Amino acid sequence: ELKVEQNPLFLSMQEGKNYTIYCNYSTTSDRLYWYRQDPGKSLESLFVLLSNGAVKQEGRLMASLDTKARLSTLHITAAVHDLSATYFCAVDGRRGATNKLIFGTGTLLAVQP
Amino acid sequence: DAGITQSPRYKITETGRQVTLMCHQTWSHSYMFWYRQDLGHGLRLIYYSAAADITDKGEVPDGYVVSRSKTENFPLTLESATRSQTSVYFCASRTPTWEANEQFFGPGTRLTVL
Repeated sequence: ELKVEQNPLFLSMQEGKNYTIYCNYSTTSDRLYWYRQDPGKSLESLFVLLSNGAVKQEGRLMASLDTKARLSTLHITAAVHDLSATYFCAVDGRRGATNKLIFGTGTLLAVQP
Repeated sequence: DAGITQSPRYKITETGRQVTLMCHQTWSHSYMFWYRQDLGHGLRLIYYSAAADITDKGEVPDGYVVSRSKTENFPLTLESATRSQTSVYFCASRTPTWEANEQFFGPGTRLTVL
């Protein structure tokens, strides 16, 4: 059974600092997705990572995928308050059958001024 | 409106009542999904559908029923609501490419079962 773990679950950081959120998963998969959720809102797709070594960047966020280590990271550079949200990673449930996503429990990011 | 919509956005019901949550998408995506979101559990898949008249169970299907008579609609029914089904429910649809399973989510329905 595929399990997806994120850490930390809660991250309080100051504006201007850098930090990394980690997403580990338990079985082979080469597709990983990052989503953002603001309080009381829906999920917004941030990154789609489709192969080992994939790296995507958007503004102050950079996501990478290491399929051999079964690890994805979401790196935050020079955090700003607007990045405060909950971030989820999700992994395809079955290799080659892209029907199901298994979500991590999320990382609540609070950026303090 | 283009995109994916859900109705109602908020619903309060009583234990034992039947409730139907609606989901509508305008992209003609073949795949659609229902998730529930609870604190400490993230999102868990309830049911999904690959096309009209094709549905399959997800992680937590018990107590729920789905149908898909038209591509654009994917209603979720709680046949006899229980308090444990109090949750936020999200509908999603998937891009049609085979390379990626990027899913796009509706605004959610907050359901309270008293």
